[in-house]
Amino acid sequence: GAVVSQHPSRVICKSGTSVKIECRSLDFQATTMFWYRQFPKQSLMLMATSNEGSKATYEQGVEKDKFLINHASLTLSTLTVTSAHPEDSSFYICSAVAPSGAGDTQYFGPGTRLTVL
Amino acid sequence: KQEVTQIPAALSVPEGENLVLNCSFTDSAIYNLQWFRQDPGKGLTSLLLIQSSQREQTSGRLNASLDKSSGRSTLYIAASQPGDSATYLCAVEPLSGTYKYIFGTGTRLKVLA
Repeated sequence: GAVVSQHPSRVICKSGTSVKIECRSLDFQATTMFWYRQFPKQSLMLMATSNEGSKATYEQGVEKDKFLINHASLTLSTLTVTSAHPEDSSFYICSAVAPSGAGDTQYFGPGTRLTVL
Repeated sequence: KQEVTQIPAALSVPEGENLVLNCSFTDSAIYNLQWFRQDPGKGLTSLLLIQSSQREQTSGRLNASLDKSSGRSTLYIAASQPGDSATYLCAVEPLSGTYKYIFGTGTRLKVLA
């Protein structure tokens, strides 16, 4: 099946710094990618929809100036957590929609664990 | 607003038992429902995808059923093994076809050797 990668898999940073997380579709082009976050022992919550070549669409309650999303190509979307604070510590997972003959399928990346000290 | 609930939140069983995980959703207007496995600190592994027109899907020791009208899905695991220990998440994709999955809170399964 299709593969979605994320980099880095784990990052630790100091409060106030910015962190960039990459999401790549390795063997298919994805016009749409999604970013989710997951707090410990909680489920995944959709943060935003990333569309290639246009501005991301953010879910209610997600600060767009805090979580910058760029979908510069059909295989890459980036999430930048700006001025990170300890409450931003979470597990961030992306997914990408792969078109297929039987209907589009969504594939999930392995996740990035962000710890803000 | 669609809400997805999973019961139980945690489950511990001895090896070899057959078990059922439950998922319920409040809005039956779904495009599909998917079951995932998540190991600690890891991403998601898709287990079974059931389209809204389907009643069940099977893969190996796993069987997932869907009753859209009652807003329920079950994941049946036969002859459980310690390697099955993980968190199991169900997620529904709304009928609008936006690909935006809504996830349940998961069931943490521990299979004891």
